[in-house]
Amino acid sequence: GAVVSQHPSWVICKSGTSVKIECRSLDFQATTMFWYRQFPKQSLMLMATSNEGSKATYEQGVEKDKFLINHASLTLSTLTVTSAHPEDSSFYICSALLIGGASSTDTQYFGPGTRLTVL
Amino acid sequence: GEDVEQSLFLSVREGDSSVINCTYTDSSSTYLYWYKQEPGAGLQLLTYIFSNMDMKQDQRLTVLLNKKDKHLSLRIADTQTGDSAIYFCAESINTDKLIFGTGTRLQVFP
Repeated sequence: GAVVSQHPSWVICKSGTSVKIECRSLDFQATTMFWYRQFPKQSLMLMATSNEGSKATYEQGVEKDKFLINHASLTLSTLTVTSAHPEDSSFYICSALLIGGASSTDTQYFGPGTRLTVL
Repeated sequence: GEDVEQSLFLSVREGDSSVINCTYTDSSSTYLYWYKQEPGAGLQLLTYIFSNMDMKQDQRLTVLLNKKDKHLSLRIADTQTGDSAIYFCAESINTDKLIFGTGTRLQVFP
């Protein structure tokens, strides 16, 4: 259980275009999902917290008009990179939060990631 | 502020034990986690420990937490080539947000 998928796995686009990445929780509902960015050989940096039915919460330094997040259902969050530029090239990873019970903590389950290359 | 540090690289022989270390600065961590990332893939949760525990064992994995020194370690017994990956520790502080460490690349050689 607790499987999270991302689509696409990789995408190459031209500078100036927009790219949408989907994150789905396949076997559980997730009110909260997270979007991370990972540069080569570096750690994950949290970009934003996606909340179902409300606005996303962005981390300091992340442009909300550039990275649009929509969490329209309890199993789907999307990240749209608008007017992409080469510096937006990165590995984007989402996670979905599975709420724990009385004896376990809330746990983030991660998708496989999407590699974006902007030419 | 929050800062989570790990050594960058560890190389071990197949069959030996691996110990991956992590230090953190925020003493109000509630849970600490270990994740594994294989090349080009997302993160797989390996195990986690509540901050009021000092040890947790799960099959080949042993987590030790020294809260006084803010030090967390992951021991992998009988390390296999399939354990080669990057290992991230992460902490949560009263929220569901995770602060990730810098990652340790484990290489297992025959």
